[in-house]
Amino acid sequence: DAGITQSPRHKVTETGTPVTLRCHQTENHRYMYWYRQDPGHGLRLIHYSYGVKDTDKGEVSDGYSVSRSKTEDFLLTLESATSSQTSVYFCAISESGGGRGNQPQHFGDGTRLSIL
Amino acid sequence: GQQVMQIPQYQHVQEGEDFTTYCNSSTTLSNIQWYKQRPGGHPVFLIQLVKSGEVKKQKRLTFQFGEAKKNSSLHITATQTTDVGTYFCAGRGYGGSQGNLIFGKGTKLSVKP
Repeated sequence: DAGITQSPRHKVTETGTPVTLRCHQTENHRYMYWYRQDPGHGLRLIHYSYGVKDTDKGEVSDGYSVSRSKTEDFLLTLESATSSQTSVYFCAISESGGGRGNQPQHFGDGTRLSIL
Repeated sequence: GQQVMQIPQYQHVQEGEDFTTYCNSSTTLSNIQWYKQRPGGHPVFLIQLVKSGEVKKQKRLTFQFGEAKKNSSLHITATQTTDVGTYFCAGRGYGGSQGNLIFGKGTKLSVKP
């Protein structure tokens, strides 16, 4: 498996609190992605990054922000968590992406986030 | 926006039966990828199809990409209990945000021994 570590693996928190999820890779891949997975919705892209400090919105970006200060780390922040953000969050990496590459994505083990 | 539809949502088969899942895009795709997610696990890349009409095989799995590059299928011959999981297709459009992968909702396969 690709060297991707997500932390924490599980988290329970209350509505209105800030939450930060971390994705760390050891593959030196340029592209990193955050997805959420919900029953009946499959995988939906939240934000992605195509380099250090280069990020863009995905399909379901409202309520989320991201940062990438180093190649190996991609952070996802919920500024004020809501119950609708209860989900399983997956980080993925790829060597290339967007319209410039056909590389597969490699996924981390996921973070199960519950917001009460 | 670009959409990728996948059917069926669920499929229950007896071990040894065949299984097929279908993927249809609202727009022409530059390529399509297939992933498998075991229960409790993360998606794992299976294969990528790029050319119109392309057919690829991996042991008992056969992947096809339509001539118009708007549909794809995954066929499993003689299913085994190890095939259990959810199979996702993911289509990539052309350029800009259309170049991001759009995942279908997946087909959940259960296999009865």
